[in-house]
Amino acid sequence: EAEVAQSPRYKITEKSQAVAFWCDPISGHATLYWYRQILGQGPELLVQFQDESVVDDSQLPKDRFSAERLKGVDSTLKIQPAELGDSAMYLCASSLSPQGNYGYTFGSGTRLTVV
Amino acid sequence: GDSVTQMEGPVTLSEEAFLTINCTYTATGYPSLFWYVQYPGEGLQLLLKATKADDKGSNKGFEATYRKETTSFHLEKGSVQVSDSAVYFCALSDLSNDMRFGAGTRLTVKP
Repeated sequence: EAEVAQSPRYKITEKSQAVAFWCDPISGHATLYWYRQILGQGPELLVQFQDESVVDDSQLPKDRFSAERLKGVDSTLKIQPAELGDSAMYLCASSLSPQGNYGYTFGSGTRLTVV
Repeated sequence: GDSVTQMEGPVTLSEEAFLTINCTYTATGYPSLFWYVQYPGEGLQLLLKATKADDKGSNKGFEATYRKETTSFHLEKGSVQVSDSAVYFCALSDLSNDMRFGAGTRLTVKP
């Protein structure tokens, strides 16, 4: 079964350092999402891509977060500088439809701990 | 804006008990509705979905019916197993918004 690949699975970083996460969506899925999930809460959208274009980044803290999907395939999410409050699970998902009617396929996530 | 409200957890059941996790939604249009499951340390997995009113989604013994009149999509299973212990998320998606998730309900099934 096709999967969304994410790396690393776990990351511990000191505050003020830079950190990056990588995601490879299911082949053929043009829509890619980055979500942040704080412990005990549901995921919240950070950014949505359609191919290489950003569709929605209204909830992305742009002073420290950036995301790119240069060739419309894999994607990188970066935080610089990291803050203690950034500790969370970062989930990547992809879907066949931009509207997500068929549901999303999620990766296993990257658990970030900022110390 | 669109939103989803789930019953608060945690929920603790004995094996073979009946499960209901309530979910209600608010939406201006006609969203698709979903249940996702998250096992410890993992991402979310799509459990079932329904795309229009009165549709019933089902998978692995779980069921949920899209009720437009009560704006609900309650998750049910007739006989839970220890392996069903996880966090369950109700979610909705419509044409104009990204997928919105509830806060999640943690289920623990004891042998």
